Amino acid sequence: QVQLQESGPGLVKPSETLSLICTVSGASVRSRDYYWTWIRQPPGKGLEWIGYIYYNGGSHYNPSLKSRVTISVDTSENQFSLKLSSVTAADTALYYCARENQGVMFPFFDFWGQGTLVTVSS
Amino acid sequence: DIQLTQSPSFLSASVGDRVTITCRASQGISSYLAWYQQKPGKAPKLLIYAASTLQSGVPSRFSGSGSGTEFTLTINSLKPEDFATYYCQQLNSYPSTFGQGTKVEIK
Repeated sequence: QVQLQESGPGLVKPSETLSLICTVSGASVRSRDYYWTWIRQPPGKGLEWIGYIYYNGGSHYNPSLKSRVTISVDTSENQFSLKLSSVTAADTALYYCARENQGVMFPFFDFWGQGTLVTVSS
Repeated sequence: DIQLTQSPSFLSASVGDRVTITCRASQGISSYLAWYQQKPGKAPKLLIYAASTLQSGVPSRFSGSGSGTEFTLTINSLKPEDFATYYCQQLNSYPSTFGQGTKVEIK
């Protein structure tokens, strides 16, 4: 049973760095078949893809966030993480980690974490 | 970025109805399209991938069709547990993008 679980502070001050970790169980972040992804959803709004990390450290970020985002992987802990710098109230959202299945012709996101709410406020 | 536009944004329907949601892409995406269902307070759940392939465990009343720029999600014989918000997502190119969502509510 594949499970993903987000963890991290629920409150971040403006201009600081948001840091979240996604712990994966039932699957290995070392697998070549998956991209490990972050997505966010502002309260009452739609979904925004943030970016992904591959087992070898390869990554791709949303251009709208690229200058502020870093996604990394820790294969020893079977985790991957998100850092978003210089946050503002606009970064307040439910943050999800998810697995993108790339081992097929047409990829998809098959497993998601439950999400963690991060509020940016002083 | 590829824009996805869903219609309608809101849909009121009754149990037993057949509903259709459309997703239009701003450029051709072949069959690189997935559909998700999201209930309040929950993560999205994969329903359909490759535009028309039903994810394992998803009831057969859900179906998807289309390719290129126009796609549809159809729910046959709506059940109470189907009232939720539905999103399409393109994975043809990065950044991957989502439609704005279609909320299906009980009439």
